[in-house]
Amino acid sequence: GENVEQHPSTLSVQEGDSAVIKCTYSDSASNYFPWYKQELGKRPQLIIDIRSNVGEKKDQRIAVTLNKTAKHFSLHITETQPEDSAVYFCAASIGGSYIPTFGRGTSLIVHP
Amino acid sequence: SAVISQKPSRDICQRGTSLTIQCQVDSQVTMMFWYRQQPGQSLTLIATANQGSEATYESGFVIDKFPISRPNLTFSTLTVSNMSPEDSSIYLCSVGGGNTIYFGEGSWLTVV
Repeated sequence: GENVEQHPSTLSVQEGDSAVIKCTYSDSASNYFPWYKQELGKRPQLIIDIRSNVGEKKDQRIAVTLNKTAKHFSLHITETQPEDSAVYFCAASIGGSYIPTFGRGTSLIVHP
Repeated sequence: SAVISQKPSRDICQRGTSLTIQCQVDSQVTMMFWYRQQPGQSLTLIATANQGSEATYESGFVIDKFPISRPNLTFSTLTVSNMSPEDSSIYLCSVGGGNTIYFGEGSWLTVV
């Protein structure tokens, strides 16, 4: 089955800095890669996703890149703000199957 | 995306007892899932709740411990049976939509 590795497990940055979270996957059939943000005491919420026919996608301060050959994808957050502090999960799935395999999560701490 | 409601949102349970969690969706959905998130951990799929038939369990999860019902396309229940402190977790209902899944607000269970 699919295996998703996520690094780092904890990331501490100063407000205004950029943050990068990296994930690798093992199944070359995976073609859909969502990212979830989970604030303390709340549910995981989808923040951005990318499909394998696209190399990069941006949404305001958030961007995701995908390298299919190397089987890795990354989340980039620019101009970080304290409200970006949360646990971020990457995931990989075969589009249409719905069931993603999740990474272990990255706890992002943004210091004001 | 669909609105997913879970009850209870939080509970403290005695060891050896069982608790049933309810999940209600505001529209008909084909795919419903139950996840467990142990403290500080990632999201682990317990089972896929199939409408009108037995749930499909992931490795490490069994029907006797986590019986699931899915009487229609908008409702499902998960029972955590004979609870022990190791069952203290967040239990999340989720539904498929588009290419990905969306989570309910979760049920936070503490077993004492």
